[in-house]
Amino acid sequence: KQEVTQIPAALSVPEGENLVLNCSFTDSAIYNLQWFRQDPGKGLTSLLLIQSSQREQTSGRLNASLDKSSGRSTLYIAASQPGDSATYLCAVLFSGAGSYQLTFGKGTKLSVIP
Amino acid sequence: DAGVIQSPRHEVTEMGQEVTLRCKPISGHDYLFWYRQTMMRGLELLIYFNNNVPIDDSGMPEDRFSAKMPNASFSTLKIQPSEPRDSAVYFCASSRQGKEGTDTQYFGPGTRLTVL
Repeated sequence: KQEVTQIPAALSVPEGENLVLNCSFTDSAIYNLQWFRQDPGKGLTSLLLIQSSQREQTSGRLNASLDKSSGRSTLYIAASQPGDSATYLCAVLFSGAGSYQLTFGKGTKLSVIP
Repeated sequence: DAGVIQSPRHEVTEMGQEVTLRCKPISGHDYLFWYRQTMMRGLELLIYFNNNVPIDDSGMPEDRFSAKMPNASFSTLKIQPSEPRDSAVYFCASSRQGKEGTDTQYFGPGTRLTVL
């Protein structure tokens, strides 16, 4: 069964710190990987999408990397701010299933302390 | 564009009642997805459509759940009869065809369903 795992489930850091969120997946046959942000009681906002042929994507203070062979992705957040507090979800579009079904991790809940 | 629009935002109903959730995808998007989110199971795909045609409904939990997409700008998810265990947040998302697979998925704000 194709699975996506995010560890830790929760993370608390002081403002200004650089941090890394981790995502691992069980099958290297993927189309792409997406990182989302979810604020409490809200929908999901797409942050970055990395195609299977890419190694990383950057948007502002965010940088996402992809290592298909090891089944891992990281989301790096530079100079964290209280406004970055949210749950971050990793989602993988596996290509072997014959279906365009995103498989989500359970998320990492980030708290940035002022 | 207004983004993906869902209605209602909140729904409280009694067990046994019919519930209809609605979604308007982003104009020009080929794919529409229905998800359910619970604390226990996280986000799960229920069904998705491509060009208004249901492609994969393997995530639909039971026959009590049905989904339709009569045109490119509207979809419904219906639960009949509803049960307390259906209580969850239901999200609709849409995307274009990507170079490989589907492109970025854009999510609606969700419908929070409570079945008493």
